[in-house]
Amino acid sequence: EAQVTQNPRYLITVTGKKLTVTCSQNMNHEYMSWYRQDPGLGLRQIYYSMNVEVTDKGDVPEGYKVSRKEKRNFPLILESPSPNQTSLYFCASSLEGTGGVEQYFGPGTRLTVT
Amino acid sequence: AQSVTQLDSQVPVFEEAPVELRCNYSSSVSVYLFWYVQYPNQGLQLLLKYLSGSTLVKGINGFEAEFNKSQTSFHLRKPSVHISDTAEYFCAVRLSNYGGATNKLIFGTGTLLAVQP
Repeated sequence: EAQVTQNPRYLITVTGKKLTVTCSQNMNHEYMSWYRQDPGLGLRQIYYSMNVEVTDKGDVPEGYKVSRKEKRNFPLILESPSPNQTSLYFCASSLEGTGGVEQYFGPGTRLTVT
Repeated sequence: AQSVTQLDSQVPVFEEAPVELRCNYSSSVSVYLFWYVQYPNQGLQLLLKYLSGSTLVKGINGFEAEFNKSQTSFHLRKPSVHISDTAEYFCAVRLSNYGGATNKLIFGTGTLLAVQP
């Protein structure tokens, strides 16, 4: 089954404790992206990657890091989480370029930073 | 820059009534248009998309949307809603001409459709 998976689905942590949210897709997609969803703001892009070892900032990259060492995986790293990073996070993937019209979303990771 | 406006944050409607969720966008270039649905505690699922061609697009679960270029709108409609349609609906755009950074989806703030019995 074609899918995007994220782990963990729920995470409660404390300020400053490094964490990683994993994202994996099995569709051989080049393009992957992270979004955060906040009430009244919709989804905003954090980082994206057009292929292995190619990443770039989205609209709200502060406080986040990503890496793309393998095509299928695109982990999101919070090196020193703060309460304003409490949010619902989605990973998405698609084919690259004009062929990549539809993006497929993971189930989401709800992060709470206290 | 592209932007998406969903003016209605919440739309209450009775079961079996028709509904329209409004979406307006701004862009100086051609765009692809999407509606996604998010059921409670779930990820986003594609409802329908407009790429080109016929301006009336049909999607899953009986939803349809009409692209109106002159009004830069892409309103979502359903003639008769069910309780199970209760969810948050997001309109999104992306540039149509080339890839790279333009794979990015720009989302509206969402509309919560609350279907009441």
